[in-house]
Amino acid sequence: GAGVSQTPSNKVTEKGKYVELRCDPISGHTALYWYRQSLGQGPEFLIYFQGTGAADDSGLPNDRFFAVRPEGSVSTLKIQRTERGDSAVYLCASSLTGGQQETQYFGPGTRLLVL
Amino acid sequence: EDQVTQSPEALRLQEGESSSLNCSYTVSGLRGLFWYRQDPGKGPEFLFTLYSAGEEKEKERLKATLTKKESFLHITAPKPEDSATYLCAVQVRTGGYQKVTFGIGTKLQVIP
Repeated sequence: GAGVSQTPSNKVTEKGKYVELRCDPISGHTALYWYRQSLGQGPEFLIYFQGTGAADDSGLPNDRFFAVRPEGSVSTLKIQRTERGDSAVYLCASSLTGGQQETQYFGPGTRLLVL
Repeated sequence: EDQVTQSPEALRLQEGESSSLNCSYTVSGLRGLFWYRQDPGKGPEFLFTLYSAGEEKEKERLKATLTKKESFLHITAPKPEDSATYLCAVQVRTGGYQKVTFGIGTKLQVIP
């Protein structure tokens, strides 16, 4: 079956620009997570959605970052006024319900480079 | 604060040379410990979940074990295709849902 997909796979932008990163989770998964992975580091939690609502956005670094999931399926991570420090791989994961001991399945990531 | 520490950061093995990767953790209320494999340019790929101390799981040349403070990923007679970064993650219950925290990973290189 189809796994988690993310688009674009690569994004190059200039400092100050706005970018949108898309995640399409596994069909039927109600829990969706965004992570950021810098070079040589493990994934760092950004935000968790249960259905359409953001249940925990404590990992978003500042108010330039925002994410939505309007229909409880596809999610978009939005970054305003990008900075060079935003350059990283943005990973999306989904799990069936977000319940205890559930496995999170990851997409291939979007590699963002801010020049 | 939940902490996950992986060691070594990098490991170079000859093909067939068995070894172990370590993941030590300091969390309150562990719900599960996950091992993932990550190849360059790809997302993490799920390997194992361990739920309680004493539990072991195996898959091909990999065996994961769990104690109350750490987990080991044992690699027996590795092959070059086992080269990857291995990530450990812990799941704890917080604010009504299960939060996962990752370590920085161990980069494994297996030389033919």
